[in-house]
Amino acid sequence: DAGVIQSPRHEVTEMGQEVTLRCKPISGHNSLFWYRQTMMRGLELLIYFNNNVPIDDSGMPEDRFSAKMPNASFSTLKIQPSEPRDSAVYFCASSLPPGASHGKGQYFGPGTRLTVL
Amino acid sequence: DQQVKQNSPSLSVQEGRISILNCDYTNSMFDYFLWYKKYPAEGPTFLISISSIKDKNEDGRFTVFLNKSAKHLSLHIVPSQPGDSAVYFCAARGRTSYDKVIFGPGTSLSVIP
Repeated sequence: DAGVIQSPRHEVTEMGQEVTLRCKPISGHNSLFWYRQTMMRGLELLIYFNNNVPIDDSGMPEDRFSAKMPNASFSTLKIQPSEPRDSAVYFCASSLPPGASHGKGQYFGPGTRLTVL
Repeated sequence: DQQVKQNSPSLSVQEGRISILNCDYTNSMFDYFLWYKKYPAEGPTFLISISSIKDKNEDGRFTVFLNKSAKHLSLHIVPSQPGDSAVYFCAARGRTSYDKVIFGPGTSLSVIP
């Protein structure tokens, strides 16, 4: 398996522009998570989906952020408009159904490094 | 308020010696604990976990100890190897697998050859 795939790996944009980050979870995983990592706040959960349905989006910082999961193999995280303080590494992760995970936790993608100028 | 704390931002250990990484938590509802390892420019990878019904879990060179009364867990790596140099995140979640996983800020481990 290719693991969790994220694109792009790096994104540099200007303040005010729309940014779309993409994620393909591991096939068979029914939970998908979006995280943001910054020096100040560490690794924080933004939103997670179970069976394509958003379960908890309380970590989404504000209305400029939105996430969708139109099907089991694809999710997007959109920032519109982007601001310099959104600069961070954004990780997508997926996991097996609870009874099948055998305590293995989540599988993370390589991340997207976003820089907003 | 940080629910999962890793008070040592960094740790240096000689190759072959034991590495001990510590983690404290504040939420008594946490029921399951995980350790992740992260190399630069990569996503975190799962390392080892422990349920609150246990006080120890071992996997090869890695052992996690849990002290529920102290709300403290630790990860022991014996013997430490240079390839273990990475950032280690402690994480915790509630009773159900649908509960959010809360990550600590991480400890950067350097194993010196």
